[in-house]
Amino acid sequence: EAGVAQSPRYKIIEKRQSVAFWCNPISGHATLYWYQQILGQGPKLLIQFQNNGVVDDSQLPKDRFSAERLKGVDSTLKIQPAKLEDSAVYLCASSMGGVGGEKLFFGSGTQLSVL
Amino acid sequence: SQKIEQNSEALNIQEGKTATLTCNYTNYSPAYLQWYRQDPGRGPVFLLLIRENEKEKRKERLKVTFDTTLKQSLFHITASQPADSATYLCAPGSARQLTFGSGTQLTVLP
Repeated sequence: EAGVAQSPRYKIIEKRQSVAFWCNPISGHATLYWYQQILGQGPKLLIQFQNNGVVDDSQLPKDRFSAERLKGVDSTLKIQPAKLEDSAVYLCASSMGGVGGEKLFFGSGTQLSVL
Repeated sequence: SQKIEQNSEALNIQEGKTATLTCNYTNYSPAYLQWYRQDPGRGPVFLLLIRENEKEKRKERLKVTFDTTLKQSLFHITASQPADSATYLCAPGSARQLTFGSGTQLTVLP
């Protein structure tokens, strides 16, 4: 089966610019996650969707980050305006139902460099 | 606040030996714990899940233990191979929330 697809693979922008990332989860997976992984650290959850509703966005910097999941399938994550500290890999993951203990399937991520 | 600690330094072992990685957590009572493997430039890949009522779980050359009293999980790779070289992430979880540690970088030397 096809895995989690993400694009772009790499993005370089200047601070204060905006950027958007796209994710297509595994078909049939109800739950979609966006994680931020800073070099040398583990992934940190930014937002979790169950179908097209938000389950957890407690760690999303809402003054600059936004995310949506239209029709409960694809999702986009946007940063506007970007700061230097936003340089990281942005990982999208999906799971079947969002029940505790389910394994997550990750995409390869988008590596963002903010100059 | 919740804190997850994995081996603070990279781990180098000789091929054929058993690698043991440690995951300690504090201020937390997870219902389960997952382990993932991450290769450079790739997303994490799920390896094993162990629940709080399980002491040990095995899958091929992998073994995970979960001690809720010590608040610790150990991850073992037996008969290690150079292809096992990667970063290994532990992720304690409860309900719908999964929190990742910073990982241990394992290098298996031929």
